[in-house]
This record gives sequence, C-alpha cells and structure tokens, in this order.
Amino acid sequence: DAGVIQSPRHEVTEMGQEVTLRCKPISGHNSLFWYRQTMMRGLELLIYFNNNVPIDDSGMPEDRFSAKMPNASFSTLKIQPSEPRDSAVYFCASRQRGVGRTEAFFGQGTRLTVV
Amino acid sequence: DAKTTQPPSMDCAEGRAANLPCNHSTISGNEYVYWYRQIHSQGPQYIIHGLKNNETNEMASLIITEDRKSSTLILPHATLRDTAVYYCIVRAVEFGNEKLTFGTGTRLTIIP
Repeated sequence: DAGVIQSPRHEVTEMGQEVTLRCKPISGHNSLFWYRQTMMRGLELLIYFNNNVPIDDSGMPEDRFSAKMPNASFSTLKIQPSEPRDSAVYFCASRQRGVGRTEAFFGQGTRLTVV
Repeated sequence: DAKTTQPPSMDCAEGRAANLPCNHSTISGNEYVYWYRQIHSQGPQYIIHGLKNNETNEMASLIITEDRKSSTLILPHATLRDTAVYYCIVRAVEFGNEKLTFGTGTRLTIIP
C-alpha cells in the first residue's frame, strides 16, 4: 500500500481564495483524521470520521473550514475564504478501528501558505 | 484522556541508548500509552504502545512503571536518523473515543 496520500504537497494562495486539500486513506481503514500543525499551536486535531461519518468536529476553527468524506477512499478539507492565519501544514491520517493495535498512519502533509 | 508531561528536549550520543521519559499520573485503567515521533517535515510515525506490560518491537522498547503513572521509551542504539520530536500520548482504546491528542513532545537530538 502506498500509505495515506495527500495532495497537493504545497499550496500557495491569496487571501480570500478557496482552498481544497485532498486525502486518500489507506485501503481498508475506516477512521480518518485531519490535523493542522503550526509552530505556535503544535499538532491540533480538526475533525475525524468513522465509516465516512463526521464524529467530532470540535477542533474546526470556524465556519470557514469544512470537511467531507463522500466515500471510504477520499476526503477533502476546504477553507473558504482563506486567511493568512490559516497558513500551516495540514496532515491527514487513517486508522483501522478496533481494540488493541490501532495505530494511525499519517500522510506527508500539505503545506499551505496564504498570502 | 489523561494528560502527559515530557521534557522539552534531550540530547543523546550516537550509538547509545536514548531514554525518553513521560509522566501520566492521572492515567485511567483503560488507557493505553502510545508513542509517536515526527521527523522534520514529515507526518508523525507510530512507534509503540502498551497498557501495563513492557513492550518491545523492532523500533523501540516501552517500559511502564507498575503503578502506570510514568513510562520510558528506549531507543537501544540511537542513530542520527532518530533525531525527531517524540510524543507520548495516553488514550482509552474504545469505540467512540478515537481521538489522538498530541502534546508538545520531546525534541531528541542525536549527537554524532
């Protein structure tokens, strides 16, 4: 398996523009997580899905952020409109739910710069 | 989930064992201890986890005290590639509680 695949790897956009980040989880995994990492705040959990259903979105900073998971093999994180303070590295992770060994596998991240 | 406390940074000589401590004094009986690491610019990587027994895998060993209030991650022969931020996370493994909450971690630097 190629692991968790995120695209694009880098994104530079102007303030006010819409940004869409994409994630393909590992096949067979049924939990998916979106994280954001900045120097100031570290790694923050934004939202996670179980079986394509959003379970906890309490980490989503505001209404400008939205996430969807239309099927088991694809998820998007959208920011509209984007602001400079959204600049960060965004990570997607997936995991196979279950008791016991349930480690999460992370993608390489998308580095977003909003100018 | 219980909170964890880790030293912000540590150094270790290449080839020596790196011992990374973690305090989790409020851990509950159903909470596991997980360790992840993040090498610069990459996504976090799972290392090991345990409940109460010591664990060992190809990457590291995890020593959990008998009262489970603290643990130590051991990298037996550290290499330069082990330079990373190491995160200790305590989490109950149960349906409906899927969160993996990262703290500030320990920045481990392996010295040549």
